[in-house]
Amino acid sequence: GQQVMQIPQYQHVQEGEDFTTYCNSSTTLSNIQWYKQRPGGHPVFLIQLVKSGEVKKQKRLTFQFGEAKKNSSLHITATQTTDVGTYFCAGRRNTGFQKLVFGTGTRLLVSP
Amino acid sequence: DVKVTQSSRYLVKRTGEKVFLECVQDMDHENMFWYRQDPGLGLRLIYFSYDVKMKEKGDIPEGYSVSREKKERFSLILESASTNQTSMYLCASSLPWDRGNSPLHFGNGTRLTVT
Repeated sequence: GQQVMQIPQYQHVQEGEDFTTYCNSSTTLSNIQWYKQRPGGHPVFLIQLVKSGEVKKQKRLTFQFGEAKKNSSLHITATQTTDVGTYFCAGRRNTGFQKLVFGTGTRLLVSP
Repeated sequence: DVKVTQSSRYLVKRTGEKVFLECVQDMDHENMFWYRQDPGLGLRLIYFSYDVKMKEKGDIPEGYSVSREKKERFSLILESASTNQTSMYLCASSLPWDRGNSPLHFGNGTRLTVT
C-alpha cells in the first residue's frame, strides 16, 4: 500500500537555527497537507499544496511540493520556541478513494 | 470554528471489555475518521465514514468496528479490548474531498489504556 516516509524523526535545534523536514511518498499524490501537533495537543492543519512544484509561505514557514508530486518539504527559518511540536505531512492518493495517508512525523525541539 | 468533541480524555479498561469511543462534530461535515497515534508510527487510519451509515476500512481495522447513525456522530468500538490497543485515539472530520481545500479537524484525543 501507499507509504509516506518522513525524515528526520527528531531534531533538536537552538533558537534562531533553521529546520527542515522532508516527506517522501512511494506513489504520486494528488495533494499534500501539513499539520502541527503541539506537545499534549492534537494535529492542527497548516497548509495544503496541490500543484506540481508549488511553493507556499506562511511567515517563517516555507512549504514545497515536488515536481513529480511524490515529495514535499517544510522549512522553518530562524526557529522560535513556539515552533516546538511534531510536524506531519499527509498525502492524498491520486487514484481510488483518495484516502489521506499520514507520514510518521518529525518532532522538533527548540532550545532557547 | 469547527469543534470536534471526543467523549473522554482518558480511559482505562480491562482486557476483554467492550469499549465505546464517541466523537461528535458540529460543522455538518460529511467525512469522519478514527486514527490511532503511537510513538514512531504517526497517525494510522482505523476507519472512516463519508456519509451516514457508510464506512470504509482504513489501514488497521482489525479488532475495531464503527457506527455512524447520525451525521454528527461517529463511534469507534473495540469489541474485545486487548493490551495492544492501548493508544491515543484521535477522531477527525472534514468536508468531502472534492470541495477543494478539505483539511482534517481533530478532536483532543482519547488516551486509552487496556490493562
